[in-house]
Amino acid sequence: QKEVEQNSGPLSVPEGAIASLNCTYSDRVSQSFFWYRQYSGKSPELIMSIYSNGDKEDGRFTAQLNKASQYVSLLIRDSQPSDSATYLCAVRSGGYQKVTFGTGTKLQVIP
Amino acid sequence: DVKVTQSSRYLVKRTGEKVFLECVQDMDHENMFWYRQDPGLGLRLIYFSYDVKMKEKGDIPEGYSVSREKKERFSLILESASTNQTSMYLCASSLRTSGETQYFGPGTRLLVL
Repeated sequence: QKEVEQNSGPLSVPEGAIASLNCTYSDRVSQSFFWYRQYSGKSPELIMSIYSNGDKEDGRFTAQLNKASQYVSLLIRDSQPSDSATYLCAVRSGGYQKVTFGTGTKLQVIP
Repeated sequence: DVKVTQSSRYLVKRTGEKVFLECVQDMDHENMFWYRQDPGLGLRLIYFSYDVKMKEKGDIPEGYSVSREKKERFSLILESASTNQTSMYLCASSLRTSGETQYFGPGTRLLVL
């Protein structure tokens, strides 16, 4: 079983809709959770981090964490074509600085 | 702004060659990382370093070594390049405090013939 799992997609949503990206992880002691966005041909960049159960909102982005279910999600409201990218879920466990990345979900926002 | 730079954007090498990939960051970050990214496999950690001269194996260290002689510079070495090391290599850095953002370099696309 992969440590961090994401549906590879592509996930296609119309412009203006809500895009919902999901991620599950296997290590129950995981402490920190991140969403990175990677445009084609570019390197990943952090868009959200979340550390405690519940929702965290930043503009059009909301990260949701449920540690009991080992599940983290990213909601993108009012999706724009510029949101079309691959979204990587990353999880940090224990006291180490390394994080484990999922394989990413490709999002396509259709104008 | 944090800046992470990598020595080359594209590199073509022959099987058996020794290959050096260099990464430099300018934000005094303690942690530095080397990943490779392959379609369908995502980002996989090769090695990381949390201090000068310190290194830890990641998930796929075989065939690679690293060097960190200065805080700002982290080198990845392919001792004898093989075709299965053709990949995109990404360097990243972060502060030591837990949960900090990783900042990525632009990547080096390596082709081993």
